[in-house]
This record gives sequence, structure tokens and C-alpha cells, in this order.
Amino acid sequence: GQQVMQIPQYQHVQEGEDFTTYCNSSTTLSNIQWYKQRPGGHPVFLIQLVKSGEVKKQKRLTFQFGEAKKNSSLHITATQTTDVGTYFCLDYGQNFVFGPGTRLSVLP
Amino acid sequence: EAGVAQSPRYKIIEKRQSVAFWCNPISGHATLYWYQQILGQGPKLLIQFQNNGVVDDSQLPKDRFSAERLKGVDSTLKIQPAKLEDSAVYLCASSYGDGAYEQYFGPGTRLTVT
Repeated sequence: GQQVMQIPQYQHVQEGEDFTTYCNSSTTLSNIQWYKQRPGGHPVFLIQLVKSGEVKKQKRLTFQFGEAKKNSSLHITATQTTDVGTYFCLDYGQNFVFGPGTRLSVLP
Repeated sequence: EAGVAQSPRYKIIEKRQSVAFWCNPISGHATLYWYQQILGQGPKLLIQFQNNGVVDDSQLPKDRFSAERLKGVDSTLKIQPAKLEDSAVYLCASSYGDGAYEQYFGPGTRLTVT
């Protein structure tokens, strides 16, 4: 079956450093959504990407969808302590498959 | 706008007991999802409803799990009998439509099976 992988599993950064998480699939991704889950909280929607090569920006966050639609990335510029949490990608095509997440900690 | 409501927030039961979770989605949202999130993992879809019909229940362990959404609004998820490996957070989410819509998640029910 389809596997959605995310790397890295954990990332510790100093406040102000950049952060990137990658979402990779064993099969072609249909459409991608990104969610953020704060510690003890529930997933909150960030963005969705549907087109090959698509790039979207939200303030310090940049989301990309690979040209071959087999990967996606989330980049945060100049991290802040409020960015702490786990970032999940979701392939919501024929199947709803969440990646295992990347847990980000930001040291002040 | 009110968010997705879930109850109870926490539940502790012994193995082989039964438990039920309730979810009330955002008003007007046709699609409702139940997810199981084991600690340190991403949410796993258990069942998806479109109004009161089941769209996908391929990952629902039907020998012990059941879910219903009789009037196309709120929903219940039941586990009977529970196993130790069912310990997880059960998340309910809703969206306006099927597929390409953002999902709004409830706070979840943390289940501990002892």
C-alpha cells in the first residue's frame, strides 16, 4: 500500500534558524494538505497544494509541491518559539494518508 | 463559529470493556471523519462519512469498532471489546465537502485501556 514518509522525524533548532520538513511518497501524491499540531493539541490546517510544482507562501512559511507530485516540502524562515509542534502532510486523493510527522522544537 | 465538539475528553477503561465516543461537527459540514492517533504517529483514518453514508471504512477494525451518523449530523464511534492496543487519541474532524476541503479537528478523546 501507499506509504507517506516525512523527514526528519525530529528537528531541534535555535530560534531564528530556518527549518524544512519533507514529505515523500512511494506513489504519486494526489493532493497535499499540511497540518500543524501543537503539543497536547489537535491538527490545524495550514495549506493545500494540488498542482505539480506549486509554491505557496504564508508569511514565514513556504510550501512546495514537487514537479513529479511525489514529494512536498514545508520551509519556515527564521523560526520562532510559536512554531513549536509537529507538522504533518496529508495525501487526500484516493486514500487519506497522513505522514508520521516532523516534530519541531525551537530553543529560545 | 463553533468548532468540532467531542466528548468525553478522557476515558480510562479495562480491556474487554466497551466505550463510545461522540462527535458534533461544524454546522453545515457534510463530511465527517474519525481518526485514531497513537502517540508519536500521524492520525490514521478509521471511517469517513458523507452526510449519513459511509465513504471509506477500509481501515476500521470491524470486528470491534463501529460507527454511525444516523441523521447526517453528529456521530458516535464505539469499541467493543477494547484491547490494550486501542489506547490512543480518537480525533473527529469535519469538512464542508468531500476531498479538497480543509478538515477541522475536534480536541480529541484520549482513551487509555488498562
